[in-house]
Amino acid sequence: NAGVTQTPKFQVLKTGQSMTLQCAQDMNHEYMSWYRQDPGMGLRLIHYSVGAGITDQGEVPNGYNVSRSTTEDFPLRLLSAAPSQTSVYFCASSYSIGGGKAFFGQGTRLTVV
Amino acid sequence: EDQVTQSPEALRLQEGESSSLNCSYTVSGLRGLFWYRQDPGKGPEFLFTLYSAGEEKEKERLKATLTKKESFLHITAPKPEDSATYLCAVGPDNYGQNFVFGPGTRLSVLP
Repeated sequence: NAGVTQTPKFQVLKTGQSMTLQCAQDMNHEYMSWYRQDPGMGLRLIHYSVGAGITDQGEVPNGYNVSRSTTEDFPLRLLSAAPSQTSVYFCASSYSIGGGKAFFGQGTRLTVV
Repeated sequence: EDQVTQSPEALRLQEGESSSLNCSYTVSGLRGLFWYRQDPGKGPEFLFTLYSAGEEKEKERLKATLTKKESFLHITAPKPEDSATYLCAVGPDNYGQNFVFGPGTRLSVLP
């Protein structure tokens, strides 16, 4: 059972480049989300999805796009990378009902130069 | 605005020296108080969920407690393998899944 898988683990981008962070889960969870983690700050929610075809914005959505075409996959797209997007990104999944625990991926460390 | 704070920011303990970590929160409509452990270079790993004031949960050397305004993570006789960052989060929204995280407490247990 792989859980939540994120790729790549590390990435360096130049300002203005675009890229997609991949996230896949094999637990048939309805709910998936993306967080970013910066030093001295808690994880902050970027976007989330409560099921295939349904997405919504979190606390810090600017500069990021998401889509959810299948239950398993929830990619995060950076349209035009900026140095302020240098961060560690985590994908999480859980059952949507009941406020249960979330399972996190291993993270993607992104540096924008 | 929903807020979660944690103290101390960092804590160094000798092996066997018990202590507590604090998580204070102000949210509208608390759905659950979650504790996660995060090792360097890894994603957060679930430890506990607490829903009601007075509730307690235990796992090995860890015990989490909850009041109306704060939660404590008590660490009894810690070992070096307990060294990690401990994150507190609350789930205030209708789905109970959009967490608001605190900045974490970085715990180091020295042998």
